[in-house]
Amino acid sequence: QVHLQESGPGLVKPSETLSLTCTVSGHSIFSGYYWGWIRQPPGKGLEWIGTIYHSGTTYYNSSLKSRLTISVDTSKNQFSLKLTSVTAADTAMYYCARGSSTSAANWFDPWGQGTLVTVSS
Amino acid sequence: QSALAQPASVSGSPGQSITISCTGTNSDVGTYDYVSWYQQRPGKAPKLMIYDVSNRPSGASNRFSGSKSGNTASLTISGLQAEDEADYYCSSSTSRSTLLVFGGGTKLTVL
Repeated sequence: QVHLQESGPGLVKPSETLSLTCTVSGHSIFSGYYWGWIRQPPGKGLEWIGTIYHSGTTYYNSSLKSRLTISVDTSKNQFSLKLTSVTAADTAMYYCARGSSTSAANWFDPWGQGTLVTVSS
Repeated sequence: QSALAQPASVSGSPGQSITISCTGTNSDVGTYDYVSWYQQRPGKAPKLMIYDVSNRPSGASNRFSGSKSGNTASLTISGLQAEDEADYYCSSSTSRSTLLVFGGGTKLTVL
């Protein structure tokens, strides 16, 4: 059964870089599915951040694209997110999730438990 | 303001059926059959309930069903139970540069 776990700092200073890793267990990243990041500001709705395929091909939300890098480490069965020049608006619960096998911009299942990242000095 | 419009709240009594709408445009819901619905209980990660408009993943109750007409997708929950009380989000692929958009969420209260 596939399980995803996010890890990374819970507090990031404004203007610095937010870095998170998602470790996948019970399922190979090579399996033909897409893998994604989604975030949720406190008390607000969901926002798709981006998706990656095991080949390294990435798909980004255009609103974040200039600050965003998603990468994959197939040897560790992990994928990662880096968001530069963060502001308070980037404070959110960050989720990683397995995507569909047919499209980078479709459903996600299952999701990790999420990790709260606060941007504050 | 979310790209897909959902009612902020809906409510129903146990045993009743409710429907949550998700209204988009010809750039998303109206064009793509990649519409999904998620259930999110307080303090928990979202759970996929419906994908590709009307398909139900294993693990999702058969009391949940999805449909689409024009630019509006719908999630119907039949035989409401107390455990259905949660926030529900729709999502859709889009031809816009954002690629994937979510609705603002609907809070379901079981009376």
